[in-house]
Order: sequence, then structure tokens, then C-alpha cells
Amino acid sequence: QSALTQPPSASGSPGQSVTISCTGTSSDVGGYNQVSWYQKHPGKAPKLMIYEVTKRPSGVPDRLSGSKSGNTASLTVSGLQAEDEADYYCISYAGSNNWVFGGGTKVTVL
Amino acid sequence: EVQLLESGGGLVQPGGSLRLSCAASGFTFFNYAMTWVRQAPGKGLEWVSSISGSAASTYYGDSVKGRFTISRDNSKNTVYLQMNSLRVEDTAVYYCAKELTGPYVLIDLDYWGQGVLVTVSS
Repeated sequence: QSALTQPPSASGSPGQSVTISCTGTSSDVGGYNQVSWYQKHPGKAPKLMIYEVTKRPSGVPDRLSGSKSGNTASLTVSGLQAEDEADYYCISYAGSNNWVFGGGTKVTVL
Repeated sequence: EVQLLESGGGLVQPGGSLRLSCAASGFTFFNYAMTWVRQAPGKGLEWVSSISGSAASTYYGDSVKGRFTISRDNSKNTVYLQMNSLRVEDTAVYYCAKELTGPYVLIDLDYWGQGVLVTVSS
């Protein structure tokens, strides 16, 4: 199972928005509404930010939103803040009891 | 307060074995699926293995299938990862994590342990 494709990096100034893509195939991202997004700061455990494509767990600000079109899912971080600087990973169900992560995107707040 | 505490990591030679444990507290353990995720040095996250709340269903990533075994003891609130035939490429920080919604595996993981380092080297 190949990893989902994410851009290696993305950046934006404080207050701006950044959108991260997560591209798969019809066998994973496109075939199921089971895409989640995790934020990871260096040396810390990952944190769930979005699940089931668009849902936010309790405590995650509504500045973060998820969407999907075809085989590509996206995470948008609006109103960028310094604390948003982190690595972001998507993961999708890929059928046959398999899940696959994206390669990760490093978000830099300029 | 939900807490997940991994243990059992360390240095092991290629071909060796290691068992990781993850002790859980602060929630009704058997009601939630559990998952192991790893991150190799300088690399991204990789899904390793998951187990349903009842332990009836277990799932493995392709890179560990046939070598790793996930299990849980609901009487001890602990999930395990038995790792056999270890390879250099298994070197990583291993995290255990709790499913957000319940006993079925969805990989929506709302609580994570601090991670435990496994180093496979001669």
C-alpha cells in the first residue's frame, strides 16, 4: 500500500490561511469517508485534529476544517497562529482492514 | 484523566524480539479499540497494528504482518505489541493510542502515550 501524497511543506503569515492536500486513489481517500488529520510537534505525541473528513474532536478550534473532493482530502488552517507550526499527517482507510498515512507536511508560520 | 503509559522499549539486535506494553487508565478500557503507530527517526508516521475492544479483531500493516502480534488484557487495562524477527528498519518511537469513538478500529485516535523508543542495531 503506497503512502498518501502530501506536499512536504506549506507556509503562511500569522492570520492567513494554509491548505494542505492529501492525495490518494479511489481505493483509499476516494472510496471512503474515513480520512483523519493529525498534528505533530517535535518530541510530542500526535494530536487528532479532524476525523471522518470534516469532524472536529472536542477542543479543536474551528479555525481548522477538513474537506474532500474525489481522491484528494484537504485540511485548512485559518487564522494561522504560531502554535500551528507543526507537522500534519493525513491517514485514510484503504480497504481490507488497512490504513495508510500520508508522508506529512511541515507547516511554517512566517 | 486518560493516561497511556508505554514500556518495554530498548536496544535489540536484528532478528531479536521485544514486547511493548501500554498501560491505560482513566476510561473503560474494553470499550475502546487500541492502536500502535510508529515514527522512525526523521520519517513520518506509520500505522503498525490495531485491536478491537473485545480483542476479536486484529489488524496489521504490511511491513509488520507475520512478525508482530497485538494483544490486550482487558482485566489489566493493557495492550501489548509482541515484536519478533526485528529489523533495523523497525527502529522507531512506538506510540499506543486510544480510539475516539468506541470498540471498533477506525484510527481516529484521541489519546496517545508519550512513546517508547525501539532501536534495532547490532
